[in-house]
Amino acid sequence: DAKTTQPPSMDCAEGRAANLPCNHSTISGNEYVYWYRQIHSQGPQYIIHGLKNNETNEMASLIITEDRKSSTLILPHATLRDTAVYYCIVRAKGNNNNDMRFGAGTRLTVKP
Amino acid sequence: DGGITQSPKYLFRKEGQNVTLSCEQNLNHDAMYWYRQDPGQGLRLIYYSQIVNDFQKGDIAEGYSVSREKKESFPLTVTSAQKNPTAFYLCASSILLGGTGEQYFGPGTRLLVL
Repeated sequence: DAKTTQPPSMDCAEGRAANLPCNHSTISGNEYVYWYRQIHSQGPQYIIHGLKNNETNEMASLIITEDRKSSTLILPHATLRDTAVYYCIVRAKGNNNNDMRFGAGTRLTVKP
Repeated sequence: DGGITQSPKYLFRKEGQNVTLSCEQNLNHDAMYWYRQDPGQGLRLIYYSQIVNDFQKGDIAEGYSVSREKKESFPLTVTSAQKNPTAFYLCASSILLGGTGEQYFGPGTRLLVL
């Protein structure tokens, strides 16, 4: 699985959009980009995933660059409850053997 | 409600003692996983299982053992050979074929050594 690079921490004002970047310059053609988040002392929670098209669900939007070497997770209206560590992971969808490669992630702090 | 349960939430281990962490899922998922998380770190894979009575070592299997006698259950034993067991342990499950690739996580068990 391709490795990812994320900033260690970010702040965001409550009500504003939170844009979390992820670099994955060695991503392969069959690898998807997954985002999870982990609120303190809880299990990680799936947010969204995509291959090459932008994706949106009730939680967030995922923007993947045309060359697929980077992506951005967007929380459109961040709330205090969005304070968490956000993990960007790239892996082939059918690869269940050594999942998931969670790095240190980005610690997002939403401030009032 | 479908989901993954882990018990206990907190577990204390004495030196030289084996302890077993429980993980149960009612999602009818084929694959199950155990991860370890140290403070401020990401998750590291200990063991995974894709089918009953079969499991594979992950990146940090030394000092741990698992069993998969039932599809719903994947208990993890932290043996006395694990010299630094204090950590947050997370169990997960996923659909093996045809799914989105998403893993569903339990609430975790925090293991502390006395």
